[in-house]
Amino acid sequence: AQSVTQLGSHVSVSEGALVLLRCNYSSSVPPYLFWYVQYPNQGLQLLLKYTSAATLVKGINGFEAEFKKSETSFHLTKPSAHMSDAAEYFCAVRNSGSRLTFGEGTQLTVNP
Amino acid sequence: DAGVIQSPRHEVTEMGQEVTLRCKPISGHNSLFWYRQTMMRGLELLIYFNNNVPIDDSGMPEDRFSAKMPNASFSTLKIQPSEPRDSAVYFCASSLASVLVETQYFGPGTRLLVL
Repeated sequence: AQSVTQLGSHVSVSEGALVLLRCNYSSSVPPYLFWYVQYPNQGLQLLLKYTSAATLVKGINGFEAEFKKSETSFHLTKPSAHMSDAAEYFCAVRNSGSRLTFGEGTQLTVNP
Repeated sequence: DAGVIQSPRHEVTEMGQEVTLRCKPISGHNSLFWYRQTMMRGLELLIYFNNNVPIDDSGMPEDRFSAKMPNASFSTLKIQPSEPRDSAVYFCASSLASVLVETQYFGPGTRLLVL
């Protein structure tokens, strides 16, 4: 079964700094990968998804992620962090059927 | 457009009581998912339905948990009897499974506390 691993359960950045959230996948077939964001006391919201159409995927709120097969990675980046980006971020991979398997999550803190 | 609707948003109950969580998926979606989120175990898929039929219930913890989807616009997750270890946030999500790479849309969750 496919799986994802998120490196770093907590990431802290200053407002205006680069955001980099790491996700590595394990898959025996070309994976479909997702990044979701969860704001406090809310459900998960899709940021972006990789469907093999393009290796650089642009999402909402200025986020993007690059699929790198050689590194089995799908890291999430944003050039300049905003206070409103503080949330928990989940990487996920689609497994058999419609199943999504989520990573452990990364809590992003943005400092003024 | 209305998103996925879950009720109640918060539930506090005593051990041994029956708990019923409800979900209304996005209109037109044909897949529905129930997840549980805890600090210890993260996000876990409990069960999912396609066209109202349970497809994968391997994540259901034990016989105390049951889920139904009597029609395309309603699903329930029932815990009977409830135990303190069931305390968690339960999310419902829906998707349109006919799309090649479907997106799951999540509801706001039900925060359950079993005393």
